[in-house]
Amino acid sequence: GQQVMQIPQYQHVQEGEDFTTYCNSSTTLSNIQWYKQRPGGHPVFLIQLVKSGEVKKQKRLTFQFGEAKKNSSLHITATQTTDVGTYFCAGLYFGNEKLTFGTGTRLTIIP
Amino acid sequence: EPEVTQTPSHQVTQMGQEVILRCVPISNHLYFYWYRQILGQKVEFLVSFYNNEISEKSEIFDDQFSVERPDGSNFTLKIRSTKLEDSAMYFCASRADRGNQPQHFGDGTRLSIL
Repeated sequence: GQQVMQIPQYQHVQEGEDFTTYCNSSTTLSNIQWYKQRPGGHPVFLIQLVKSGEVKKQKRLTFQFGEAKKNSSLHITATQTTDVGTYFCAGLYFGNEKLTFGTGTRLTIIP
Repeated sequence: EPEVTQTPSHQVTQMGQEVILRCVPISNHLYFYWYRQILGQKVEFLVSFYNNEISEKSEIFDDQFSVERPDGSNFTLKIRSTKLEDSAMYFCASRADRGNQPQHFGDGTRLSIL
């Protein structure tokens, strides 16, 4: 079936260090979306990647979509305490309406 | 910025009782969704709704679940006879149109089944 795997499950970094989370789909995606969820909060949309090999940046965040449209990554440069939360990728498959969420990477920052 | 709003924020119900979770999607959106998130786990798709009918549903969305858009603004999820395992955060989401538009999530309703 269609699955989205995400690693790592947890990441603890010192403030100022970089952070990366990776998503991998079992089959080709139509697009992939990234969400951030703060503890006790709801998923907040960050970005959507549609094209093969696409790279998008939002300040310290860099999002990549693989050439085969089966994997994606989110990289945060020089983490800050405000980056704390769980980062989910969510894939959209061709012909589907539903988002298939990854398992999430919970980022904690050591000040 | 327009938001998806959900009520109540927390619902406590006895097992076997019916619950209705309410959502007001963003006003010009056409596609509506329910997801749930069991504590500490990933977000799981339940159902999508478009043009007054279900367009897709997951295996979780069995006969105990139903959705309705009773008027032009509300979108509801009903669980007919709740079970302990229905305890979760339930998120409503909406999307503007078909194609590459993101889904926007509400704050969620925390459902606790006793």
